[in-house]
Amino acid sequence: QVQLVESGGGVVQPGTSLRLSCAASGFTFSSYAMHWVRQAPGKGLEWVAVISYDGSNSKYGDSVKGRFSLSRDNSKNTLYLEMNSLRPEDTAVYYCARGSTVGYKLPHDYWGQGTLVTVSS
Amino acid sequence: DIQMTQSPSSLSASVGDRVTITCRASQGISNYLAWYQQKPGKVPKVLIYAASTLQSGVPSRFSGSGSGTDFTLTISSLQPEDVATYYCQKYDSVPRTFGQGTKVEIK
Repeated sequence: QVQLVESGGGVVQPGTSLRLSCAASGFTFSSYAMHWVRQAPGKGLEWVAVISYDGSNSKYGDSVKGRFSLSRDNSKNTLYLEMNSLRPEDTAVYYCARGSTVGYKLPHDYWGQGTLVTVSS
Repeated sequence: DIQMTQSPSSLSASVGDRVTITCRASQGISNYLAWYQQKPGKVPKVLIYAASTLQSGVPSRFSGSGSGTDFTLTISSLQPEDVATYYCQKYDSVPRTFGQGTKVEIK
């Protein structure tokens, strides 16, 4: 069965960096774009970023553009989110979610359990 | 960027009631619209994609309609287990913007 398992969350100070990981299993990871979606405490869902199936292209939401960077290692079935210059408003549960496959636009049909990032001094 | 506007932001209805939630895109998105359900403390789950296609395993009391800019999620007979927040999301292109959510409660 499809599984997405995030890790790397924690409490960090403003201005510092953190790297999240998402380990995928149960599907052909290298065939799917992968996304990050976040949810601040008590708030709605916010789309953060996407990386193409082969890692050649990534796009970011305006709130994280220039500070966050996506990468993936298809040999390890793992997705990474490098977060720099963290701000208190980045505090959220971060979910990795599966996206489209080649030739088909798909919604987020599988999600990880989420990892909490808290940015606080 | 295309904005997604949901209404209402919350609603309270009785068990067995028909519930309708609307989602409006600021520009046309064809039928690339998904609805998610998020129960308290849980991970979001896709209910409907392509505006009207029911995800496998989702009860048939959920249905979706619309195309272009106006979309609707309907629960034909509200059940206690449907208490959740519902989000629409466009997925025609990035950013994959979500609506602000509709919290559904039992009266």
